[in-house]
Amino acid sequence: AQKITQTQPGMFVQEKEAVTLDCTYDTSDQSYGLFWYKQPSSGEMIFLIYQGSYDEQNATEGRYSLNFQKARKSANLVISASQLGDSAMYFCAMREGMNTGNQFYFGTGTSLTVIP
Amino acid sequence: EPEVTQTPSHQVTQMGQEVILRCVPISNHLYFYWYRQILGQKVEFLVSFYNNEISEKSEIFDDQFSVERPDGSNFTLKIRSTKLEDSAMYFCASSEFGTLYEQYFGPGTRLTVT
Repeated sequence: AQKITQTQPGMFVQEKEAVTLDCTYDTSDQSYGLFWYKQPSSGEMIFLIYQGSYDEQNATEGRYSLNFQKARKSANLVISASQLGDSAMYFCAMREGMNTGNQFYFGTGTSLTVIP
Repeated sequence: EPEVTQTPSHQVTQMGQEVILRCVPISNHLYFYWYRQILGQKVEFLVSFYNNEISEKSEIFDDQFSVERPDGSNFTLKIRSTKLEDSAMYFCASSEFGTLYEQYFGPGTRLTVT
């Protein structure tokens, strides 16, 4: 089974609108971390937001928020007030356990295009 | 702001040749990672490294791969005998011991095996 599933290969959003990028995960660990990364066309990976499995509140970072539904094993990324510069690939990732040496599992990504 | 750097940005090599990809992690970070991303596909974990030894490795990280921290700043990935399917973007990342939340990625090295 896939550890991380992103079912939306491509998404479009109008500038200034909000968009939700879906992510579901699969783990039997009680302790895990969920991450979202942005990959612009230039190729670098940019950390956006983190949610720990024990965090009771949804994580927020500026225009990014993570809609964490533990029972459903989903960790959707919400981008509010989309900007043209948000056009990029977005990857959901998970780290099982809380040891920073543990590996990350990445999803296949969602390509977001912001339309002016 | 401190950042992870990688050299070269693009490496072209012939099949069967050895390549060394270099990374300079953020200076106070203690955990180091290599990932690869085949064009158009997801990012795949290769290996993590701490205290001068491998912490964890994936099934991709077979005997043709090795990692080393030859001095206090560089972290290298060696591919002994490259294959066509090794063509990918290779990302180095680092994280600070005690910071459980994020890894900082370098800009990547694009490896092309011909």
